[in-house]
Amino acid sequence: EIVLTQSPATLSLSPGETATLSCRASQTVYGYLAWFQQKPGQPPRLLIYDASKRATGIPARFSGSGSGTDLTLTISSLEPEDFAVYYCQQRRSWPPTFGQGTKVEIK
Amino acid sequence: QVTLKESGPVLVKPTETLTLTCTVSGFSLSNDRMGVSWIRQPPGKALEWLAHIFSNDEKSYSSSLRTRLTITRDTSKSQVVLTMTNMDPVDTATYYCARLKDWYFDLWGRGTLVSVSS
Repeated sequence: EIVLTQSPATLSLSPGETATLSCRASQTVYGYLAWFQQKPGQPPRLLIYDASKRATGIPARFSGSGSGTDLTLTISSLEPEDFAVYYCQQRRSWPPTFGQGTKVEIK
Repeated sequence: QVTLKESGPVLVKPTETLTLTCTVSGFSLSNDRMGVSWIRQPPGKALEWLAHIFSNDEKSYSSSLRTRLTITRDTSKSQVVLTMTNMDPVDTATYYCARLKDWYFDLWGRGTLVSVSS
């Protein structure tokens, strides 16, 4: 199965700054990657699918890029509600697998 | 409105069997483009996919937990049931059911925390 490695584990930023989160795959996922946001006590919420497509209702400050084995989630101008844990997930091959998460915390 | 809701025991003893139910509304379990997975998350840890049932009733399991898991559905009740045998304290986690639509988990239940302790 495909292993996803996210970096960094923790990102300390201030509101208004830009967050850049990385997801590296053990083999190509092409563009078949999703990003989720999870806040404490809540289920994950789909942000991005197919590497760069925003899910319904997701603000434009969230953008995904990349393909192959290196993919990125960028959050421009962080809002207070964006501080959370972010997971990537591939659907290139079955079974679906998740990364270990990146926590975006307030500096 | 499309929703998924997990239900089941909050506490099980080691070696017991866990049975969780996911009740869905707003979509059909028989819809060609959809299926339902169970995914768990130990406290403070990452997400782990467990099992999936496809619209044609085909099932798929995590290779590491295959011998302990069974997933079934009752389309008349709009329910997906997961059983996990021989529970251990390391299985303590929040268990989520999630809809797989067009191969992505677009909707999740709120999850149910299951603790394993004697």
